[in-house]
Amino acid sequence: EAEVAQSPRYKITEKSQAVAFWCDPISGHATLYWYRQILGQGPELLVQFQDESVVDDSQLPKDRFSAERLKGVDSTLKIQPAELGDSAMYLCASSWTSGGLSSYNEQFFGPGTRLTVL
Amino acid sequence: SQQGEEDPQALSIQEGENATMNCSYKTSINNLQWYRQNSGRGLVHLILIRSNEREKHSGRLRVTLDTSKKSSSLLITASRAADTASYFCATDRSVGNSGYALNFGKGTSLLVTP
Repeated sequence: EAEVAQSPRYKITEKSQAVAFWCDPISGHATLYWYRQILGQGPELLVQFQDESVVDDSQLPKDRFSAERLKGVDSTLKIQPAELGDSAMYLCASSWTSGGLSSYNEQFFGPGTRLTVL
Repeated sequence: SQQGEEDPQALSIQEGENATMNCSYKTSINNLQWYRQNSGRGLVHLILIRSNEREKHSGRLRVTLDTSKKSSSLLITASRAADTASYFCATDRSVGNSGYALNFGKGTSLLVTP
C-alpha cells in the first residue's frame, strides 16, 4: 500500500541551528500539507501546496520557516534558525487534489519527524 | 487555528465496552472527518461524514453529525486494546481560490485496558 514517506524520523538540534525535513507524498497526489503538532494538541497547518504552488501559508512563521515543492512532487520544510519553541512533531500529508469537491478527500499522513531543540 | 474541540480530553475503558467521543465546532462546514493517531505516529483517516448526512457507520465505528448544534460524535463499539490511541475530529475550511484545508481539534486520548 502506498504511503507518505518522511525523513528523518527524529532530529535533535541546538537552537540557532538550521534543520530540514523531507516528505515524499503518495504518487499522484497533487496536494501536499505540512503540519506542526505540539505534544497534547492537534495538528496545525503550516503550509499547503497544490502541485508546486503554495495554496496557503498563512500560519507559516516566514521569518524562520520556508517550504518548497519545486517539481510538484516531494517537498522540503526548513527552519533557520531553530528556536526552543519549535520542538514538536512535523507531519506531512497528501491528498488527491484540493480543488472543487475535494474537500471530501481524506488526507494520508506520513509518520512524522519528531524535532527536539536544545 | 483549531476549530474543533473534542470531549472528553481523556477516556479510559475496559475491552468490550463502548467508547463515545464528542466534537464541537464553530463555523459551518462541508464535511467532518475523524482521524486516529497511535502514540508517536501519523494520523489515519477513519471516516468522513458530509454536512447533509446525520449518521454514518464503518465497521465498529458510528459517527453522527448535528449541524444545528455544530457537533459530532464518534462511537466505537466493543472496544479492543488496539483501539488505544488519540482521536481527532477535523472540519474543512476554504483556503486560497479553490482549496480546502482541515482544522483539527485537540483530540481525545482513549485508553482501552484488557
